[in-house]
Amino acid sequence: NAGVMQNPRHLVRRRGQEARLRCSPMKGHSHVYWYRQLPEEGLKFMVYLQKENIIDESGMPKERFSAEFPKEGPSILRIQQVVRGDSAAYFCASSPGTGGRNQPQHFGDGTRLSIL
Amino acid sequence: ILNVEQSPQSLHVQEGDSTNFTCSFPSSNFYALHWYRWETAKSPEALFVMTLNGDEKKKGRISATLNTKEGYSYLYIKGSQPEDSATYLCAFLGAHSNSGYALNFGKGTSLLVTP
Repeated sequence: NAGVMQNPRHLVRRRGQEARLRCSPMKGHSHVYWYRQLPEEGLKFMVYLQKENIIDESGMPKERFSAEFPKEGPSILRIQQVVRGDSAAYFCASSPGTGGRNQPQHFGDGTRLSIL
Repeated sequence: ILNVEQSPQSLHVQEGDSTNFTCSFPSSNFYALHWYRWETAKSPEALFVMTLNGDEKKKGRISATLNTKEGYSYLYIKGSQPEDSATYLCAFLGAHSNSGYALNFGKGTSLLVTP
């Protein structure tokens, strides 16, 4: 499967624990995006990364949330000290490094995070 | 916060009917308008990326038009089939974000096609 791979598909955490969500972009893609879908809401942009760089984190909460896309390995979205309000579906998307804004973003199946 | 509005919120049609939905978005600082198809328990699938005023794109029985001056796009499905049942999302890409690559999604139009 050459698509965007996210894992785990489902993640359950207790309040105060850490959540780590992983995303491997499509082969050949160097741009990664994270979106969040809260219950009864649409998809909301969180962060846009290229290899080893955060390009745009304007949609990411200032505290407890961080993202990285290392030179090797998947992109990680990390949520520290989770609270009930973090329960959501988190989607990763990727696009090629060429073609600019004319390129669609290809989405993974998402990680459903539930906080007990 | 940018308003990307989609209407109707949901639609129920019979197999063979043609249908269309609307996406409205800010008409300023426009870069691109994306359409996605999202089936339950799957990932959003890209349908079209439209960038120029007057653009028309077609993929099988699905087509889309774009008016950037007035800020709207239409998605048309000709001869709907049950497999077209999905949520159709539009997303606006503009100069509002730091990078200009942050998609701003509408809430979608949920389409149900019954035999």
